[in-house]
Amino acid sequence: GDSVTQMEGPVTLSEEAFLTINCTYTATGYPSLFWYVQYPGEGLQLLLKATKADDKGSNKGFEATYRKETTSFHLEKGSVQVSDSAVYFCALTSSNDYKLSFGAGTTVTVRA
Amino acid sequence: EAGVAQSPRYKIIEKRQSVAFWCNPISGHATLYWYQQILGQGPKLLIQFQNNGVVDDSQLPKDRFSAERLKGVDSTLKIQPAKLEDSAVYLCASSAGTGAQETQYFGPGTRLLVL
Repeated sequence: GDSVTQMEGPVTLSEEAFLTINCTYTATGYPSLFWYVQYPGEGLQLLLKATKADDKGSNKGFEATYRKETTSFHLEKGSVQVSDSAVYFCALTSSNDYKLSFGAGTTVTVRA
Repeated sequence: EAGVAQSPRYKIIEKRQSVAFWCNPISGHATLYWYQQILGQGPKLLIQFQNNGVVDDSQLPKDRFSAERLKGVDSTLKIQPAKLEDSAVYLCASSAGTGAQETQYFGPGTRLLVL
């Protein structure tokens, strides 16, 4: 079945550092790809999404590009802040049954 | 716009007891989902409703878990009897429709501890 594999954490960075979280997927057809974020004590919320190949999703300084040739959707931010400390989940919805499948999550801690 | 509401936020029970969780989706959202998130893992879909009908319950342990959405709005998820391995966060989500491009909106979750 469709699945997502994302970089294991935890990741610890200093403020203003560059962040990359790798995400690759296995899917039949043409899935939609998502990054969700879970801040401490809060629920999951959508960070960005891309619905077709070469689309770039962006929000709050984060970006991810849907790369069909490498089956990847890596999350990047050029200069992180302490407030970016959270757990980040890569996810996809299958074009066959529309199920949302999540990766295991990557915990990011940004130090001042 | 109000988000997805869930209650209770926390629950501690002993094994073999029963427990129920409640979810109120975003107004107008036809599709409702229940997920189980075990510590250190991503959420796993348990059941999906479209209005008050079940679309997918293939990963719901039906010998102990049940869910209903009687009027196509609120939903309850029940576990009876609970096992130690049911300790997890139970997330409710809703979306306006179904489709690969639909965004699901999540509630804050109910954290269950089974002792």
